[in-house]
Formats: sequence, C-alpha cells, structure tokens
Amino acid sequence: EDQVTQSPEALRLQEGESSSLNCSYTVSGLRGLFWYRQDPGKGPEFLFTLYSAGEEKEKERLKATLTKKESFLHITAPKPEDSATYLCAVQSETSGSRLTFGEGTQLTVNP
Amino acid sequence: GAGVSQSPSNKVTEKGKDVELRCDPISGHTALYWYRQSLGQGLEFLIYFQGNSAPDKSGLPSDRFSAERTGGSVSTLTIQRTQQEDSAVYLCASSLALETSQETQYFGPGTRLLVL
Repeated sequence: EDQVTQSPEALRLQEGESSSLNCSYTVSGLRGLFWYRQDPGKGPEFLFTLYSAGEEKEKERLKATLTKKESFLHITAPKPEDSATYLCAVQSETSGSRLTFGEGTQLTVNP
Repeated sequence: GAGVSQSPSNKVTEKGKDVELRCDPISGHTALYWYRQSLGQGLEFLIYFQGNSAPDKSGLPSDRFSAERTGGSVSTLTIQRTQQEDSAVYLCASSLALETSQETQYFGPGTRLLVL
C-alpha cells in the first residue's frame, strides 16, 4: 500500500524567509510524484510532477526536488500570497492512476 | 479553456436523504476521478472512470455510494441514505489519461456536503 507523509504539518514564515517542505513516500514502483497547492475553500491547484530521482522543477519562488524516498518543495523568499496548504501525492505501479495524498503542510507567510 | 466544474458548490441535507453531486471534466479528458476530503484529513480516492472501461470502484466506502459517467463526459456521484460521517468536500478531477498513466489530474472546486 502506498504511503505519503508530509512534514511539518504547519509552518509559519516571515516574508523573505526561505524554507523547505518535506514529502516522504513508500511505494512499489513510483510512476509520478505530484505537488499541489490548495487555498481555503478551493480545489487543489497543480504545481509540479516529478518522475525520477534527481529530477528538479521550478516555478517562480518554488522548486521541487525528488529522491528515491522523498521530495522537497523549496520556497525561496516567500511572499504572503504563497500562504496555502501544499499537498504531495504519488502514483505507483500498484495503485495505477489513482493518487495517494499526504495530509498536507499548511504554510503561513507573514508580512 | 474551462477547467473542471462541479455542482452544487455547497449542499446541506438531512440524515437519511439521498444526494447527487455533479462533475463536468475538462473537454477532451477521458479519465475522471472522485476524491473525498474530510476535515483534517488528506484526500481519499473514491472511484475512477477511464473511457469505456469498467470503473475502478475500489475506494467507495460503502454500497451507499455509487457513481456513473454518461457519454464519457459528465459524472454524477450519488450518496444514498446519507450519514453525518459523509460530511466532507467531494472533489472531482480529470486527466488526459495518456498511455503511460503518468498524467496530471486537474481538480475542480469541490462540493461541500454537510449532513445534519
């Protein structure tokens, strides 16, 4: 059974204070690791897909990296508008197309 | 283009009533998924439709839950005899369903269901 654990559960940063969110996973044959952002009262918004260890992707202040056991979402010089819950999910050889999600990291960036 | 749409956005019902939730996927997407997000919990897979194949119903929590997809597009999730523990946000997603299955799922805004 696929398992995804995200840490920390909540993170408070000052504007401009860089940090990283962690997503640890246990799967049998990773097909893809996905990062989403979810604002209160809205559906998850797609950010990145990573397919193999060593892969990195960037978008504005966000950079996602992947190893064989975990993924990191690095946030550089965050702004208050980056405040949201960040969700990590995996697809695997055994789970097919369904996504298995972690419980998310709630990020608050104070001005 | 238009994203995934869901209706209603909010639904309040009484325990024991049946409810229907609707999802319109992104045009051209052949795969459609339903997930449930309960307060303080991660998203939980419910059911998956891919083209004309039999749906993967392995995530449905009880036989009170069912879903159908008509014409390969719109889907309806039905919950019969609702219980208070059914209160959650029901999210629909769609994807292109490429052969590699490494496809990205795009989510709708969700339907917030409250069972009194």
